[in-house]
Amino acid sequence: QSVLTQPPSVSGAPGQRVTISCTGSGSNIGGGYDVHWYQQLPGTAPKLLIYDNNNRPSGVPDRFSGSKYGTSASLAITGLQAEDEADYYCQSYDSSLSGHWVFGGGTKLTVL
Amino acid sequence: QVQLQESGPGLVKPSETLSLTCAVSGYSISSGYYWGWIRQPPGRGLEWIGSIYQSGTTYYNPSLRSRVTISVDTSKNHFSLKLISVTAADTAVYFCARLVVGFNYFDCWGQGTLVSVSS
Repeated sequence: QSVLTQPPSVSGAPGQRVTISCTGSGSNIGGGYDVHWYQQLPGTAPKLLIYDNNNRPSGVPDRFSGSKYGTSASLAITGLQAEDEADYYCQSYDSSLSGHWVFGGGTKLTVL
Repeated sequence: QVQLQESGPGLVKPSETLSLTCAVSGYSISSGYYWGWIRQPPGRGLEWIGSIYQSGTTYYNPSLRSRVTISVDTSKNHFSLKLISVTAADTAVYFCARLVVGFNYFDCWGQGTLVSVSS
């Protein structure tokens, strides 16, 4: 059971917009801690996709965006492309006994 | 450009100790940042194991704290993971990563190494 909750899967057709939610609690996202997102292509290491809720590292297309609201956050991908098919993980910091740096359970994005 | 590379045995027997090292290149561990270990069981999600600062200050996942030790060797520019009394549940791909503290995200990752626990 992950501290941060994500839907197991989402899907969309090429060109469409999809969103992935990440729900936490008052000791992590709701406690003011930022949310970060990682993309993991099959057989590779996770790659930082969004940091500090809505910032993109150099090289990440602006089709990817993030937002945070209350105890939740969301990753949006517009203009869906085949190469976006991957697992996506949210991550934050948790101030409770459950741990320090915590991840969501991951969401598998399928491009139809 | 910062690069991280995990190394260590790919097979460990149950009840024994898993030992991995993460070699860092392109950046001196002594210059700052925290460094961490994350694992991913086959077909499952990411689990933070623990993190260490250059000074040796460590933070561990409470669920693994009794079995984990992370250490740093600034002279060799690497940090290490030891996990004792392993079971099949510890079978996973183990990643090392650089942690941007204050902002709390992992900005650089190693490629990962699969460690299987089996007799």
